[in-house]
Amino acid sequence: GQSLEQPSEVTAVEGAIVQINCTYQTSGFYGLSWYQQHDGGAPTFLSYNALDGLEETGRFSSFLSRSDSYGYLLLQELQMKDSASYFCAVRPNAGNNRKLIWGLGTSLAVNP
Amino acid sequence: GAGVSQSPSNKVTEKGKDVELRCDPISGHTALYWYRQSLGQGLEFLIYFQGNSAPDKSGLPSDRFSAERTGGSVSTLTIQRTQQEDSAVYLCASSPSQGHPQETQYFGPGTRLLVL
Repeated sequence: GQSLEQPSEVTAVEGAIVQINCTYQTSGFYGLSWYQQHDGGAPTFLSYNALDGLEETGRFSSFLSRSDSYGYLLLQELQMKDSASYFCAVRPNAGNNRKLIWGLGTSLAVNP
Repeated sequence: GAGVSQSPSNKVTEKGKDVELRCDPISGHTALYWYRQSLGQGLEFLIYFQGNSAPDKSGLPSDRFSAERTGGSVSTLTIQRTQQEDSAVYLCASSPSQGHPQETQYFGPGTRLLVL
């Protein structure tokens, strides 16, 4: 089957750096996406890795290693507003079923 | 331009009643998804529409759930004979095309359903 695993909860303090991992067991896929969801809000797209390596967007970076079946989201200079749930997702590139497969999400709590 | 909109934003109903939830995707987006999310939980896939292809209904939890998409645009999710365990946030998302590998999904604000 195809699945993605993330830690359920992560806690950090303001100004720190936190890494949220996503490991997957899936056959070929196009790329790894990350979404952010604040409490009571809808998920919003953060980043996408089509190729191995690091993608940087401001304070957020995302990494993918297909050989290690692993990716992560890196958040730097944490702010209170970064407290949210973060979901990784992949879309298979083969077979009839190519809808996004989602991880269960990681709840990030940023403390003062 | 306008994002994905959903209505109603909140719905309280009595057990056994039918409810209809509406989703207006971003204009021109060919793919439309329905998800269900319980408090503090992940996204549970329900159904997926892509253009004129037959919808992927593999996530619908029971035959009480159905959805349609008219004219490739607006979609309605119907829950018949609602049960208390149907209480959740129902999220709709659209994306430009399955042809693009990235397929970023744009989510609506959701409908919060409470079944008493």
